[in-house]
Amino acid sequence: GAGVSQSPRYKVTKRGQDVALRCDPISGHVSLYWYRQALGQGPEFLTYFNYEAQQDKSGLPNDRFSAERPEGSISTLTIQRTEQRDSAMYRCASSAGLAGGKTSYEQYFGPGTRLTVT
Amino acid sequence: AQSVAQPEDQVNVAEGNPLTVKCTYSVSGNPYLFWYVQYPNRGLQFLLKYITGDNLVKGSYGFEAEFNKSQTSFHLKKPSALVSDSALYFCAVRDIFLDSNYQLIWGAGTKLIIKP
Repeated sequence: GAGVSQSPRYKVTKRGQDVALRCDPISGHVSLYWYRQALGQGPEFLTYFNYEAQQDKSGLPNDRFSAERPEGSISTLTIQRTEQRDSAMYRCASSAGLAGGKTSYEQYFGPGTRLTVT
Repeated sequence: AQSVAQPEDQVNVAEGNPLTVKCTYSVSGNPYLFWYVQYPNRGLQFLLKYITGDNLVKGSYGFEAEFNKSQTSFHLKKPSALVSDSALYFCAVRDIFLDSNYQLIWGAGTKLIIKP
């Protein structure tokens, strides 16, 4: 079946512009995560959704970052007034959660969006 | 505090030899453990997990990992390495006793280089 998809794959934007990064999770997955990953390092947690509810946004660096998942499927990570330090790979992951009486814990990652702020 | 350690930044193995990538963890209670692989310019791929049951778990691409509770370790192994196994490997743990138990705690990663 289709995996997690993210768009755009690459985004170059000028400092001060707003950007919106999209994540389309695996169909039926209730849990959705946003991460930021620096080259050669592990993922850095940004935020977590269970269905449409944003249950943890403690990893968002500041109030320029926001995320939503209004219908419990597709999610958008928005960065307002981008700064050069926002340049990174942004990854989305989804997890099945509780399904059919069994909980699935592993996360499946999308290909990421490489954001470059000039 | 919950943590995951991958003590080796890089592991070099000759093709055909067995490989081991080490991971140790520290959590409050029983851990859920995961290995992920990241090939160059690719996303993170799930390899295998330990939740409960048999301490030896088998995963994708011939990899396996052994959960050792007394040593709080979850080392990744493969009997015979392939050049195509060269990648960055991440160990992660989920602490089910944390309120934020949906989060994975990630190791820093180990670069595996398989030489022909």
